This record gives sequence, C-alpha cells and structure tokens, in this order.
Amino acid sequence: EAQVTQNPRYLITVTGKKLTVTCSQNMNHEYMSWYRQDPGLGLRQIYYSMNVEVTDKGDVPEGYKVSRKEKRNFPLILESPSPNQTSLYFCASSLEGSYNSPLHFGNGTRLTVT
Amino acid sequence: DAKTTQPPSMDCAEGRAANLPCNHSTISGNEYVYWYRQIHSQGPQYIIHGLKNNETNEMASLIITEDRKSSTLILPHATLRDTAVYYCIVRVKGSGGSNYKLTFGKGTLLTVNP
Repeated sequence: EAQVTQNPRYLITVTGKKLTVTCSQNMNHEYMSWYRQDPGLGLRQIYYSMNVEVTDKGDVPEGYKVSRKEKRNFPLILESPSPNQTSLYFCASSLEGSYNSPLHFGNGTRLTVT
Repeated sequence: DAKTTQPPSMDCAEGRAANLPCNHSTISGNEYVYWYRQIHSQGPQYIIHGLKNNETNEMASLIITEDRKSSTLILPHATLRDTAVYYCIVRVKGSGGSNYKLTFGKGTLLTVNP
C-alpha cells in the first residue's frame, strides 16, 4: 500500500532530550515536507526537501533539523526540545515539488515536551 | 499566497449530496486548487485538485468557476464517515523559489447527520 509512515505516533519527553521522528514513504516521491499543527494556527511548514541532499527551511524552522540522505526517508530532529514544540507533527510527500502534484500525509506524531 | 475563504461549518443529511464552497479570488494563473479533509487528528487526506476544468474521481467532484475565483467540492452521497474538516487550499510557490507548499486555513467542519 502506498503510504507515508511516521514513527512514533505518540511521544512524551522532557526539555532538552534530543529526539528524532522518522518519516518514510514508499511511493518514490521526490518532494517531502514536515508540518506542525497547533490549535488556532492551522498547519505550518517546518522544512521541505525537493530531492535527496536538498533541504530548506519552511515557515517555522527554529529548533528543528532535517536530513535527506536517501529518497524514501526524511527524519525530523529536535536537538533540544522545548515545551513550545509540543504539537502534532505531520510528514508529507509528493511526486515532485510543483503546482500539480498532490501532497500525501502521514498519520501524525503527537509530541509532548514537559 | 492565494488565500481561500470557506464557511466555518455546514450540515448535510446522510445520503444527500454535500456541496462545500470556497472562494479564492486572488489565485494566480498556474496555481491549482486542492481539497483535503481531516478526520479528528488524523493526517490530512487528499481528495481532489484542479486548475480550471471540472474534475471527478472516486471520492468527489470539483467544480471551478470560469474566472477561477471560486470552486465547489461535491460529495455525491455523503455518509457519516464523511464528517470531517474540509480544507480548500491553493498550492503556492513559497519564498524559497522552489517550495510548493500548502497553506491550510481553518476549513469547513462538515457534519453529516443520520
């Protein structure tokens, strides 16, 4: 089944403890992106990647890192998580980065930082 | 960014067609209109997208006005499982020059009643 898989689905951690949220897609998509969703703010883009080894900042990149060493994987790294990064995170991918290419989303990771 | 305007909520009877309107009066000539839905806190689910012609797939139909300033998503036979927040989105080219991102607004909460 074609899908975007995120792990874990739920994560509770403490301030300052490095964590990684994994994202993998099996559709051979070039473009991948991370979003966070917060009440009243909608979904906001954190980082995106047009293809392997090419990544760039989205609208809210502070406190996050990403890497794209291979096409299928796009992990989100929080080097020193803080409570304001408590949120619902979604990974998404599309065949290409263009106007005419639907984004497909994973099922989300709910992160709580205490 | 091309902004979209949707009613905050709508009701529909089970088995009837649900018609969800969207205004996007500032859309540019090469920007596509996308529709997604989100059930509870699951990942946004892609429904359909189009540029200027009407589109239909197994989930829904998309009617775009000739001037492209508005569109309507039609769910032909709504079921209880179609209860969700529906987002009308224009995929725009972000400030990075190559980032084709989705900007989610507040959407329309569609409630399908028995």
